Formats: sequence, C-alpha cells, structure tokens
Amino acid sequence: QQQVKQSPQSLIVQKGGISIINCAYENTAFDYFPWYQQFPGKGPALLIAIRPDVSEKKEGRFTISFNKSAKQFSLHIMDSQPGDSATYFCAASLKGSARQLTFGSGTQLTVLP
Amino acid sequence: DAGITQSPRYKITETGRQVTLMCHQTWSHSYMFWYRQDLGHGLRLIYYSAAADITDKGEVPDGYVVSRSKTENFPLTLESATRSQTSVYFCASRDGNQETQYFGPGTRLLVL
Repeated sequence: QQQVKQSPQSLIVQKGGISIINCAYENTAFDYFPWYQQFPGKGPALLIAIRPDVSEKKEGRFTISFNKSAKQFSLHIMDSQPGDSATYFCAASLKGSARQLTFGSGTQLTVLP
Repeated sequence: DAGITQSPRYKITETGRQVTLMCHQTWSHSYMFWYRQDLGHGLRLIYYSAAADITDKGEVPDGYVVSRSKTENFPLTLESATRSQTSVYFCASRDGNQETQYFGPGTRLLVL
C-alpha cells in the first residue's frame, strides 16, 4: 500500500519560532510532493510543492527540504505567526495515476502569540 | 468566480438512508476527486473521475457510488449510510495539464 507517514501529530510553537513538520514515503515512484494547508471549516489549499529532482524549494517563509535517498521531506515555517495556525498535510502523487494524492495524517500547528 | 462548491455543507441522516453529496466546479477541469477526512487518517481518496463518464475507485470506495454525466458535476452517493461513514467529505478538481488539486469547502456528514 502506498503510504505517506507524517509527524508530529500536533505542534505548538512560539511566535517567531521555526515550525518543522516531517514526512516519509515508501513508493520511490512518487514524483510530486505537495503540502496543503487547511484552516478550520475550510478545504485544504496548496501551500508549496516540490519534485524529487531538487533538494529544497523556498516560497517566502515556507521551505520544503527533500531527501531522496532517505525518502523523506519536510516543511519548515520560518518566523511562525499566529495566522499560520492550521492543519498541514503532506502528500505525494504518481505520474500517470490521475495524479491521485496520497496524504499524510496531518499536523495541527498552533502558533502562540 | 465560484470555483468549486459543495452542497449541502452539513447533513444529518440515519443509518440505512441514501444520501447524495453534490460537487460542482466552474473551471471545466477534467479531473475530479472525492476524499473523506477523518482524524488520524488525513484525507483518503474515495473515487475519482478523469472526464465525463469515466470514473475509478480510490482507496476507500466501499459503500459509495459516483457518476459524472457532465464535466462540472461529480455527485457522491451513499446508497445505505452507515455510522462509519460519518466524516467530512471533500471534493476536489484538477486541470489535466497541472498537478494542483483545488478543494471545495467540504460537507460535514453525521450518520446516526
């Protein structure tokens, strides 16, 4: 079974701190790794995504680090803000599979003011 | 700019009843997806569709039926609801040339 394992389940960070969420995957055929952000009562929305041919991608305060050999990738949120408080999901997909997303179990991030 | 909408947003039903959740997108995206979200499981794919009249099973299809007669609509039917189908259901769509899936606001379903 294709799986994506995500940790931690919950994370509390002080304002201005760094939030780090980790994911590990099993299927080496995955070729697209997005992170989704979900606020309460809303649907998930794409935050940032990476392909395995690069080791890092940065968009503003959000960075994905990708370790192909370890089959791991992580989301780093720099200078975390209370507005970043949300649930974050990592995911992975295969080319040619209708791009079905296999999601991690989610991390509930709380940034304290 | 409606995007992707779902109805109803909240639904309470009883065990054994048939329930249909609606999904409508205005982008003419070829791909549409149904996920369920449960605590500890993230989002799991129920069914997906590559185009009108083309559907396929995802990870957890049992107890669900889908159809897609028009590109913009992708209804999900629970033929005989069970308590284990209590969940939040999300519809998503994707343009055939892009990877990004766009999610609707969700339907919260409670089966008593």
